[in-house]
Amino acid sequence: EPEVTQTPSHQVTQMGQEVILRCVPISNHLYFYWYRQILGQKVEFLVSFYNNEISEKSEIFDDQFSVERPDGSNFTLKIRSTKLEDSAMYFCASRAGTGGQPQHFGDGTRLSIL
Amino acid sequence: DQQVKQNSPSLSVQEGRISILNCDYTNSMFDYFLWYKKYPAEGPTFLISISSIKDKNEDGRFTVFLNKSAKHLSLHIVPSQPGDSAVYFCAASDPQKLVFGQGTRLTINP
Repeated sequence: EPEVTQTPSHQVTQMGQEVILRCVPISNHLYFYWYRQILGQKVEFLVSFYNNEISEKSEIFDDQFSVERPDGSNFTLKIRSTKLEDSAMYFCASRAGTGGQPQHFGDGTRLSIL
Repeated sequence: DQQVKQNSPSLSVQEGRISILNCDYTNSMFDYFLWYKKYPAEGPTFLISISSIKDKNEDGRFTVFLNKSAKHLSLHIVPSQPGDSAVYFCAASDPQKLVFGQGTRLTINP
């Protein structure tokens, strides 16, 4: 069964450094998402992406965050200058279409900021 | 943000019995509701969904019920199996994004 793939599984970075989290969505999917889950808290929406542009973003997704689909397969989340509070599990998701089509999630990248 | 709430952090059920997981929401504009299952070190896995215009959807051992007047949905698993032990998330479609509950840890006892 097709799946969403995320790399790396664990990223350790010094505070203030840039980090790029990578995702390969399911190949025929058109809608792409990033979510995060801080330890002990809910899964929170960050951003949705369709037709090569952001369709919606949350308050969390400030100027330090950006997303890109550099080619036909990858979808990346960049955090420009990481903070301690960015430490979380980051999940990428994709879905084929709207109208009740479910989002399918990757296994996540655990980001640890030191 | 308490738009989607799962009030039971954990639930323990005997193998073969029915598991019932509950979820409440506040926003009448959600168009779909979904249940996801999550094992440790894995991402959420889609289980079943229901449109806001329906009141029941069934898929094998899993049935989701939606009570719009009470803004309440539930997931029934019958019969429960040991492999069902996981964290279950209720999520509502907004519609571009999913709004998640806190999750309920289900443990199936032999």
